[in-house]
Amino acid sequence: DAGVIQSPRHEVTEMGQEVTLRCKPISGHNSLFWYRQTMMRGLELLIYFNNNVPIDDSGMPEDRFSAKMPNASFSTLKIQPSEPRDSAVYFCASSLDSASNQPQHFGDGTRLSIL
Amino acid sequence: DQQVKQNSPSLSVQEGRISILNCDYTNSMFDYFLWYKKYPAEGPTFLISISSIKDKNEDGRFTVFLNKSAKHLSLHIVPSQPGDSAVYFCAASAADTGNQFYFGTGTSLTVIP
Repeated sequence: DAGVIQSPRHEVTEMGQEVTLRCKPISGHNSLFWYRQTMMRGLELLIYFNNNVPIDDSGMPEDRFSAKMPNASFSTLKIQPSEPRDSAVYFCASSLDSASNQPQHFGDGTRLSIL
Repeated sequence: DQQVKQNSPSLSVQEGRISILNCDYTNSMFDYFLWYKKYPAEGPTFLISISSIKDKNEDGRFTVFLNKSAKHLSLHIVPSQPGDSAVYFCAASAADTGNQFYFGTGTSLTVIP
């Protein structure tokens, strides 16, 4: 079975540009999560969706960040305008449902570099 | 504010010996704990979990111990193998916050052949 698929794997762009990260969760999974990994803070939850509905976006650092889940098989994380401090690895994860004891399954991440 | 802490950024162990990775948490409402393993350029993969109603869970070479009174959990790997070299993250969740996980900052384990 296919796991969580993220694209692109790497993104290098200049500050001020719009960046869009994409995620396809595991089929049948109803919860989707966006994380950012940094050296200082480890894995930070940015936002998560249950049944395509955003539940908690308190981790989204600024209004420059937005996320959508138009259907059960696709989500995007957008940064506009991008800044050098946004450089990090962004992970998408999905889980079967919203129960607290369901492991999350991660994609391989998008390494974002803002110059 | 980090609710889940891994205070050792790195650990080196000889092949065949025991690896012990530690994790502390501050939120007494956490009732489910997990360990993830991460190789470079890959996403974290689920390794083992434990519910707060237990104090030990074992899966092959991996055992997780939970000490609720100390708000501490640990992952034991016995015997350690070079393929275990990776970054290990602990995570926790609480029933009242659903499937939101709180992750530690990770411990990089190196198993020396």
